[in-house]
Amino acid sequence: GAVVSQHPSRVICKSGTSVKIECRSLDFQATTMFWYRQFPKQSLMLMATSNEGSKATYEQGVEKDKFLINHASLTLSTLTVTSAHPEDSSFYICSASPGGSNTEAFFGQGTRLTVV
Amino acid sequence: AQSVAQPEDQVNVAEGNPLTVKCTYSVSGNPYLFWYVQYPNRGLQFLLKYITGDNLVKGSYGFEAEFNKSQTSFHLKKPSALVSDSALYFCAVRARNSGNTPLVFGKGTRLSVIA
Repeated sequence: GAVVSQHPSRVICKSGTSVKIECRSLDFQATTMFWYRQFPKQSLMLMATSNEGSKATYEQGVEKDKFLINHASLTLSTLTVTSAHPEDSSFYICSASPGGSNTEAFFGQGTRLTVV
Repeated sequence: AQSVAQPEDQVNVAEGNPLTVKCTYSVSGNPYLFWYVQYPNRGLQFLLKYITGDNLVKGSYGFEAEFNKSQTSFHLKKPSALVSDSALYFCAVRARNSGNTPLVFGKGTRLSVIA
């Protein structure tokens, strides 16, 4: 299947600093990518839809100024957690699909963010 | 609106026994249905999908799922469970002709296979 690569897999940062997470589609072009957040023992919560060449679409309750999304190319989307706080500690996952609605989504490996 | 229900938070099964992880869905029109598995601190891995045709879909690692339109269900099954099948399983739905929209996930079911 298609490959989506996410980096880093694990990051620890200090409160108040910013962290950038990268999501790459390695063998297909993705005009749209999705960012999820997963709390322990819970399902995935869709945070935002990343659109190549345009602004991201954020889900209700997600602060766009805190979670900056940039989709500068057809194979790369980045999520930057700005001014991180301990409550931002979570598992962040990106996904992309190489086709239309009948195509499965492929997921990155996830990023475990710990803010201390 | 689309939704997925996975009624069981946890399923325990003995190694070698058959396993079933339940999923029901709600969507306008006909659905595309998916199953994913997640191991600790990892992303989701695709197992199988139902698009059209045969209601019984076979996927990776010996898993299969049966689409039942009248019951709006898509239960995941495996004839003989392995300890290595222990993981978190997610069912997901997407409406047809919805384009490249995000999948709608159930809350997940933790499968524990006991040796």
